[in-house]
Amino acid sequence: AQSVTQPDIHITVSEGASLELRCNYSYGATPYLFWYVQSPGQGLQLLLKYFSGDTLVQGIKGFEAEFKRSQSSFNLRKPSVHWSDAAEYFCAVGATLTGTASKLTFGTGTRLQVTL
Amino acid sequence: EPEVTQTPSHQVTQMGQEVILRCVPISNHLYFYWYRQILGQKVEFLVSFYNNEISEKSEIFDDQFSVERPDGSNFTLKIRSTKLEDSAMYFCASSGLAGQGEYEQYFGPGTRLTVT
Repeated sequence: AQSVTQPDIHITVSEGASLELRCNYSYGATPYLFWYVQSPGQGLQLLLKYFSGDTLVQGIKGFEAEFKRSQSSFNLRKPSVHWSDAAEYFCAVGATLTGTASKLTFGTGTRLQVTL
Repeated sequence: EPEVTQTPSHQVTQMGQEVILRCVPISNHLYFYWYRQILGQKVEFLVSFYNNEISEKSEIFDDQFSVERPDGSNFTLKIRSTKLEDSAMYFCASSGLAGQGEYEQYFGPGTRLTVT
């Protein structure tokens, strides 16, 4: 069964500081990995995804993530955080099935607070 | 930009009543999903739907739940007899054609269901 662990429930960073949100996954094969962001009262917006190829993937809003198979990790990074980045961030893993619907399994989320 | 829409945004119902949550997926998508998020908790998979039938369902998706694609555009989630513990945000998601982003799920803004 697939699973995701986000060890940090809450992180506070200063505006302009760098950010790294941790994500570890469990899946029997090479997974599909995603980061979503959820602002208060809003839906889930896809930040970036990893399917295959280059292990460093770029996303929207200046975010990037690196897939490390040896560590079963897919950490999200941003070099300089903006106050508008304050939100809840969810890592998710999807099964690599072709031709059929494939559920996402989400982590418990990391709430990012940005101080000015 | 195409997006998933959901109605209503907020539904209040009494315990034991039936509710139908509506979703309009992105028009050329083939795979459809429902997830829920109880307040303060992670997003949980409920059901996936492809080719007019359920592909997979979670333990949460018991006999009280059903899904339907009544026409070419809507995708609905019905809860036959709501319980207090059904109170949650319900997200609809869709993903695209096989080989063309079938694994990228796009989420709607959610319907907040409150059962009193």
